[in-house]
Amino acid sequence: IVMTQTPLSLSVTPGQPASISCRSSRSLLYRDGKTYLYWHVQKPGQSPQLLMYEVSNRFSGVPDRFSGSGSGTNFTLKISRVEAEDVGTYYCMQSIEVYTFGQGTKLEIK
Amino acid sequence: QVQLVESGGGLVKPGGSLRLSCVTSGFSFRNYYMSWIRQAPGKGLEWVSYIDYGGATIHYADSVKGRFTISRDNARNSLFLQMNSLRDDDTATYYCVRGNSLAYWGRGVVVAVSS
Repeated sequence: IVMTQTPLSLSVTPGQPASISCRSSRSLLYRDGKTYLYWHVQKPGQSPQLLMYEVSNRFSGVPDRFSGSGSGTNFTLKISRVEAEDVGTYYCMQSIEVYTFGQGTKLEIK
Repeated sequence: QVQLVESGGGLVKPGGSLRLSCVTSGFSFRNYYMSWIRQAPGKGLEWVSYIDYGGATIHYADSVKGRFTISRDNARNSLFLQMNSLRDDDTATYYCVRGNSLAYWGRGVVVAVSS
């Protein structure tokens, strides 16, 4: 399964919203009714960390300014008000058929 | 808290071998699938391999199939990756990662393949 993210880079003023899209080459809806789409972020100099699981569930400790949406093959990660600590590269990932990641979207602060 | 600590990386010549280890703590290791994910310098994330709770189900990326072997020791809360016939394009930081959702990542270990 190929995961395609847009845009590949994003420059946002603090306090403004940001949005990243992710498209999969086939549906990520599994027969158990769950959709196996995740978002990870890799902050500069750090290991990746899980942000969102099964499309729209925030992982432990993730601020509520992050939200995920979508279904089937089209998904979106939104940050309602970008903060300086949000700088990093964001990856969507599927786990319905082993794992594949999107190319990554680099978020910078203006 | 959950900890995953990788070791065993280094510089190796093409065709050589390395064995990566990941020692875990802070959770019940035997209850989780485990994976290796790698990241070439300046590049994105690439899944390498995963293993189920007891080692009965194992999958590999096509890029490493036949060269890499994943294993685990539940008594020692440890995950391993035996890497043989290493190539230049195996150069990467290798991460040990917990669970189906890849919820917890180690700090990674660097593998450099170069003559």
